[in-house]
Amino acid sequence: DAGVTQSPTHLIKTRGQQVTLRCSPKSGHDTVSWYQQALGQGPQFIFQYYEEEERQRGNFPDRFSGHQFPNYSSELNVNALLLGDSALYLCASTLPQVEGTGELFFGEGSRLTVL
Amino acid sequence: QKEVEQDPGPLSVPEGAIVSLNCTYSNSAFQYFMWYRQYSRKGPELLMYTYSSGNKEDGRFTAQVDKSSKYISLFIRDSQPSDSATYLCAMTSWAGGGADGLTFGKGTHLIIQP
Repeated sequence: DAGVTQSPTHLIKTRGQQVTLRCSPKSGHDTVSWYQQALGQGPQFIFQYYEEEERQRGNFPDRFSGHQFPNYSSELNVNALLLGDSALYLCASTLPQVEGTGELFFGEGSRLTVL
Repeated sequence: QKEVEQDPGPLSVPEGAIVSLNCTYSNSAFQYFMWYRQYSRKGPELLMYTYSSGNKEDGRFTAQVDKSSKYISLFIRDSQPSDSATYLCAMTSWAGGGADGLTFGKGTHLIIQP
C-alpha cells in the first residue's frame, strides 16, 4: 500500500517565478492538507482540500493556491516566489471524516529553494 | 506568546535512558494531541495520537495529556540510537486531521548516544 507520494522531491527556482507541487494521498484517503516547514521550525498549515474544495486556510497569502482532483490527488501552486518561500512543503492525507480519528499521514515533502 | 511552545534542544541522553519530551500550549480549544517523529530530510511520522486528557501507551512510548495545565508529554523508555530524530508535538481542536489544520511545536532534536 503506497503512502503519500509527492513530486518533485527537490527543485530550485528564482524569485518571481511560479512553482507547482504535486501530491497523491494514501489509498482510501480523501482529504489532503498542505504544510510549509522552514528550516528548524515545525510545519505550518497552508490549507486543506476535501471534495475538491478548499475547506480551510492558514495564515498564508493568496500567492499560495491549490487544487484537488476527482481522484483526490492535489496540487499546490505558489506564484511570485520570494526568498522566504524556501522550505520543505509537506502534503498530508487522512481518512474520511470520522469522530475520533483523523491521524494525518505525511509524505516525504518537496524541498523548494528560491534563489 | 506562541500557541505551542516546545524546547528545540538538542537533548542528548545515553542509550537505555528514559526520555521526556514536553510541550505547552495556550489554546484551550485543542482536544486532539499528536506526537510525530521526523528523521532528517524526511516527512513527519505519526507516533502517538490521543484525545483529551489522560495517558496512552504504545510499546516503549507513553503520551500524557494534562488539559488543566495545558501540558503534554511523550516518554520514551529504553531509548535506542534509532530513536535519534526530531520529535514534533501537534494539536488541533477538530477531529479529521483538523479542518483548521494542526498546530505544531518547533520540534525537539533528540540524540541518543550509544
